[in-house]
Amino acid sequence: SYVLTQPPSVSVAPGQTARITCGGNYIGSKIVHWYQQKPGQAPVLVVYDNSDRPSGIPERFSGSNSGNTATLTISRVEAGDEADYYCQVWDSYSDVVFGGGTKLTVL
Amino acid sequence: QVQMVQSGAEVKKPGASVKVSCKASGYTFTGYYMHWVRQAPGQGLEWMGWINPDSGVTDFSQKFQGRLTMTGDTSISTAYMELSGLRSDDAAVYYCARQDVLANYYFDSWGHGTLVSVSS
Repeated sequence: SYVLTQPPSVSVAPGQTARITCGGNYIGSKIVHWYQQKPGQAPVLVVYDNSDRPSGIPERFSGSNSGNTATLTISRVEAGDEADYYCQVWDSYSDVVFGGGTKLTVL
Repeated sequence: QVQMVQSGAEVKKPGASVKVSCKASGYTFTGYYMHWVRQAPGQGLEWMGWINPDSGVTDFSQKFQGRLTMTGDTSISTAYMELSGLRSDDAAVYYCARQDVLANYYFDSWGHGTLVSVSS
């Protein structure tokens, strides 16, 4: 089955840039989506199709995908960005696959 | 606006079945697949499967084959997920999430989640 690997945690100071990676074998050939989940809440889509943003998601959120790594970048991080972030792909063998999640801490 | 309202929390005994509903509003129910995703306490997201409410076609994760049933009632825009043979490790929050049939496999709207507890 296809595996997505995320770092368990990332820490960043307010106003700085957070980069959350999602590793997978030739993930650059797949389409990656990202979700934000705050405690006690359902996930929210923040980036889809590698780099597109749903309406209502700030431009500070961006995505890229190449080689064996996809990256969610959050610019000018705010306290309200503190959450768990999950990457997700569709794989022809495994169907829908989620990464293990990354806890973003705003220092 | 889009809303997906799930049924309330359930407490089940091992070996029992649970059926969770997800009532959709604010969009064309048959224009979206409905997926189910679960999250065990303190754990990550786990995809379970999807249903095309228009045709009734389903696709499940191999992990749940034989235990999982998904149905839809287009007359009331409601999707259902039933998991049988419950075990302690099935205790989780279960989410419904919609996917545009014309889009890639991503979920642009989610239900609020239904907590399922499994305890003897």
